[in-house]
Amino acid sequence: KAGVTQTPRYLIKTRGQQVTLSCSPISGHRSVSWYQQTPGQGLQFLFEYFSETQRNKGNFPGRFSGRQFSNSRSEMNVSTLELGDSALYLCASGDRGGEKLFFGSGTQLSVL
Amino acid sequence: AQSVAQPEDQVNVAEGNPLTVKCTYSVSGNPYLFWYVQYPNRGLQFLLKYITGDNLVKGSYGFEAEFNKSQTSFHLKKPSALVSDSALYFCAVRARPGGSQGNLIFGKGTKLSVKP
Repeated sequence: KAGVTQTPRYLIKTRGQQVTLSCSPISGHRSVSWYQQTPGQGLQFLFEYFSETQRNKGNFPGRFSGRQFSNSRSEMNVSTLELGDSALYLCASGDRGGEKLFFGSGTQLSVL
Repeated sequence: AQSVAQPEDQVNVAEGNPLTVKCTYSVSGNPYLFWYVQYPNRGLQFLLKYITGDNLVKGSYGFEAEFNKSQTSFHLKKPSALVSDSALYFCAVRARPGGSQGNLIFGKGTKLSVKP
């Protein structure tokens, strides 16, 4: 099976712009989670989707949003980008009943 | 509040020596505990988990972890370190209450450096 695929791998944006990141989970996995990784704050949970429904949400402002499609692919959107949004954004998928997460390689977002 | 602490930013070990990466947790109820490893420019890879059962959990690549409820710890161990074990290690706990499979609280990470 192919692993979790995140696109694009690198992204450079300027303040005020918006960005959309994409994640394709492992085939058959219905749970998709997103995390933000920064040197200062470490790994922080953004949100989790299961069968197109948001199941949990972390403590991030409303500028961060996501969705999941019927094929389990997920997107996250960040509007009105700030310098502090520069981070590695990781997506993870999981199968029903399992506790193991499978992570993609991430999208490195730089906000200038 | 739920939290995971990894008290060491970096652990240095000589190849062939045993290694320990420390983790303590604070969570209500019975914890679901995990270790993940991250290699440079890569996502995280699952190493092992503790949900219930034996306190000693065996995982991938020869790693194991010991769950200690009284000390609220879940230290990662390996009897003989390899240079290829050098990476960033994360301890995590499933958020409670109301947490779900993908909702984990991670520690800050410990950089493991194994020298030849």
